[in-house]
Amino acid sequence: AQSVTQPDIHITVSEGASLELRCNYSYGATPYLFWYVQSPGQGLQLLLKYFSGDTLVQGIKGFEAEFKRSQSSFNLRKPSVHWSDAAEYFCAVVVYGQNFVFGPGTRLSVLP
Amino acid sequence: NAGVTQTPKFRVLKTGQSMTLLCAQDMNHEYMYWYRQDPGMGLRLIHYSVGEGTTAKGEVPDGYNVSRLKKQNFLLGLESAAPSQTSVYFCASKRQDVDTDTQYFGPGTRLTVL
Repeated sequence: AQSVTQPDIHITVSEGASLELRCNYSYGATPYLFWYVQSPGQGLQLLLKYFSGDTLVQGIKGFEAEFKRSQSSFNLRKPSVHWSDAAEYFCAVVVYGQNFVFGPGTRLSVLP
Repeated sequence: NAGVTQTPKFRVLKTGQSMTLLCAQDMNHEYMYWYRQDPGMGLRLIHYSVGEGTTAKGEVPDGYNVSRLKKQNFLLGLESAAPSQTSVYFCASKRQDVDTDTQYFGPGTRLTVL
């Protein structure tokens, strides 16, 4: 069955530290991959997406993600976290012609 | 350009009451979706529509109905609300492109069923 996992429910980092949020998927075909961010009380905002080509993609707010086909992963990274990055992050996967499948989310807390 | 809007933002219902949530988009998108978000479960698809006049069931359709009478609007109805339907509901839309498969989300509706 198709699935998306985000192994970390909650991560806490200090402001200025680096960040990596994990996402793994289980699909028969290579999917399209997305990261969304949800600030408290808000809807989901697209951070970045991968369709094809360069496996390292840049997004908004200084985020990047790397697609690794061999590991079925699409991990999100940021070299230096800001307090405003505290939010919930969702990985999402879609195969063309089918519906999105979202991971359960990872909540990020940032210490001053 | 307002994007995707949802009405209302908050609602409290009693068990057995009915209500309709409205989603509107001004981007001329073909596809529209209704999700519910529950803690630790991410977003789960309730119903979706691939164009005006069409609807289809998603992962968790029971207890909900939808209608897409106009391209820009997608309505989600609860005929007899139950406490298990307490959730945050998100609407999303996307274009019908081969190379662009990005969904755009509304701000959400927080529903409590007592």
